[in-house]
Amino acid sequence: SQKIEQNSEALNIQEGKTATLTCNYTNYSPAYLQWYRQDPGRGPVFLLLIRENEKEKRKERLKVTFDTTLKQSLFHITASQPADSATYLCALRSYNTDKLIFGTGTRLQVFP
Amino acid sequence: GAGVSQSPSNKVTEKGKDVELRCDPISGHTALYWYRQSLGQGLEFLIYFQGNSAPDKSGLPSDRFSAERTGGSVSTLTIQRTQQEDSAVYLCASSLGGKGMAFFGQGTRLTVV
Repeated sequence: SQKIEQNSEALNIQEGKTATLTCNYTNYSPAYLQWYRQDPGRGPVFLLLIRENEKEKRKERLKVTFDTTLKQSLFHITASQPADSATYLCALRSYNTDKLIFGTGTRLQVFP
Repeated sequence: GAGVSQSPSNKVTEKGKDVELRCDPISGHTALYWYRQSLGQGLEFLIYFQGNSAPDKSGLPSDRFSAERTGGSVSTLTIQRTQQEDSAVYLCASSLGGKGMAFFGQGTRLTVV
């Protein structure tokens, strides 16, 4: 069956360090992989999109990698700040459908 | 409008009653998605629309759930004979075409008592 897995345990890191979050998928052939941020009581907010023929994408302190052989995406936040504390969700969209499926999300806590 | 608008923001209903949740997508967005999020959980896909048609209804939990979209714009998610397990936040999102980023509303928090 199709699965998108993210580490369900919270990631706690110190301010200034790099946070790395993982998204693994099985039985998908994604055309696009997206990352979203969700704060408590709010809807998710789009951060980055990476296509299956792209290896890496950057935006300011954010970096996403996409390895279709490993079926994995890594999401990095460099020089992390307490304001980066939130839940981060990955989402996949396959070639033959516009259906957008989300992983369970990983909560990031950045402490001073 | 400026963003995706959902109403009501909160709904408390008695078990067995029907509820309607409304989503106003961003103007011009052809794709519209409904998700359900239980406390501390991820987003459970329910249904999506491309224009007025729903190519994939596979996520609807039971036949008590239905959704429609009219005029390629507003969508309504209806839950009949609500049960306590239907309590969750229902999120709507829209995107330009089916390939871009999704913009989410603030959600409707449904509580079935």
